[in-house]
Amino acid sequence: AQTVTQSQPEMSVQEAETVTLSCTYDTSESDYYLFWYKQPPSRQMILVIRQEAYKQQNATENRFSVNFQKAAKSFSLKISDSQLGDAAMYFCAYQSASGSRLTFGEGTQLTVNP
Amino acid sequence: EAGVAQSPRYKIIEKRQSVAFWCNPISGHATLYWYQQILGQGPKLLIQFQNNGVVDDSQLPKDRFSAERLKGVDSTLKIQPAKLEDSAVYLCASSPRPGANVLTFGAGSRLTVL
Repeated sequence: AQTVTQSQPEMSVQEAETVTLSCTYDTSESDYYLFWYKQPPSRQMILVIRQEAYKQQNATENRFSVNFQKAAKSFSLKISDSQLGDAAMYFCAYQSASGSRLTFGEGTQLTVNP
Repeated sequence: EAGVAQSPRYKIIEKRQSVAFWCNPISGHATLYWYQQILGQGPKLLIQFQNNGVVDDSQLPKDRFSAERLKGVDSTLKIQPAKLEDSAVYLCASSPRPGANVLTFGAGSRLTVL
């Protein structure tokens, strides 16, 4: 079974600074997808960024980028120019290529300080 | 495009009572998921539907939880009888098809069992 581990329960960053959230996963599959989701207090789970395992190029979405290290099974999220609206719980998630369930990590609570 | 609708947003019940949650997915989305998110944890899949058929219910506590998706559109998740450990947020999500790796989540239903 796949597992996803987020070792940072809480992180904080100053507004306009850069922060990196860590995620590691365990799988025996070679083809899969990785995601970062954001969950603000409203509880709405919002997709931040997605990475296909077969792509070597790291995904980027505006201020959000990932560092995908397939051999190390590591998938970190970098948020540049942090904004107050980035404050939320961030979840790393894994999905096999067959499109089955999303397996989530335990989450990292990000605080952005003004 | 309308999002995933869920109701009620909040529910408080006594243990051993029953409760039902409703989800209306995005129009045309064939795949529907129910996740349970206990406070401080990542969401865990309870059940996945493809149209009105069950694809994965391996983590659904079938002695007390049941779910249905009549006509392949709306879905209802029921808990009877509820236990204290069922206190959680119940998230519904939908996607166009299995293997479509972008899920759209609803805002969730928060259950408190006293």
